[in-house]
Amino acid sequence: GAVVSQHPSWVICKSGTSVKIECRSLDFQATTMFWYRQFPKQSLMLMATSNEGSKATYEQGVEKDKFLINHASLTLSTLTVTSAHPEDSSFYICSALGFGSSTQYGYTFGSGTRLTVV
Amino acid sequence: GQNIDQPTEMTATEGAIVQINCTYQTSGFNGLFWYQQHAGEAPTFLSYNVLDGLEEKGRFSSFLSRSKGYSYLLLKELQMKDSASYLCAVTISYGGSQGNLIFGKGTKLSVKP
Repeated sequence: GAVVSQHPSWVICKSGTSVKIECRSLDFQATTMFWYRQFPKQSLMLMATSNEGSKATYEQGVEKDKFLINHASLTLSTLTVTSAHPEDSSFYICSALGFGSSTQYGYTFGSGTRLTVV
Repeated sequence: GQNIDQPTEMTATEGAIVQINCTYQTSGFNGLFWYQQHAGEAPTFLSYNVLDGLEEKGRFSSFLSRSKGYSYLLLKELQMKDSASYLCAVTISYGGSQGNLIFGKGTKLSVKP
């Protein structure tokens, strides 16, 4: 079936540093990637939507200069949290839409990245 | 704005049946998903409804009424492993193409022996 590989699974970084999270579609081409953030005991909140080869569309309240999204190819999208602060500590998940996907109805989730900023 | 409501928590007994309700008010509607999510893990797909009616898949069934903006997830023969959060999510149509998933806050289900 369709698989999205998300790395790293967890990361601890110092305040002020940057962290890059990768999502790769392994057996299909992801034309659209959605990035979500989930705080403890809360639901998934959409941060941004990116289409291959174009700029990401950010949801209201999400700083595009802080959360850099790159979707340069049909199999790779990255989210970089720049100048991370403790309040950025959260669970980040990507979800891919694409063609060639065998996942029912097309949404394939990565396994998530637990970011802790100390 | 988009609004998806579901109960915060529910408790049920092993072997019983539980129904988790979801109501939505969204600008556009393309379909409704139910996902299961264990703590610290990504959501896993349970069901998808686009037309009114009941979709049955083993121990899990999902119902949709588009006119009422209402759905429910029915879990039968509950098992301890069913303890998880259940997320209701709606896709909003953008010019006919699939759009992003808007998630409800999730219902945390606890199954007791």
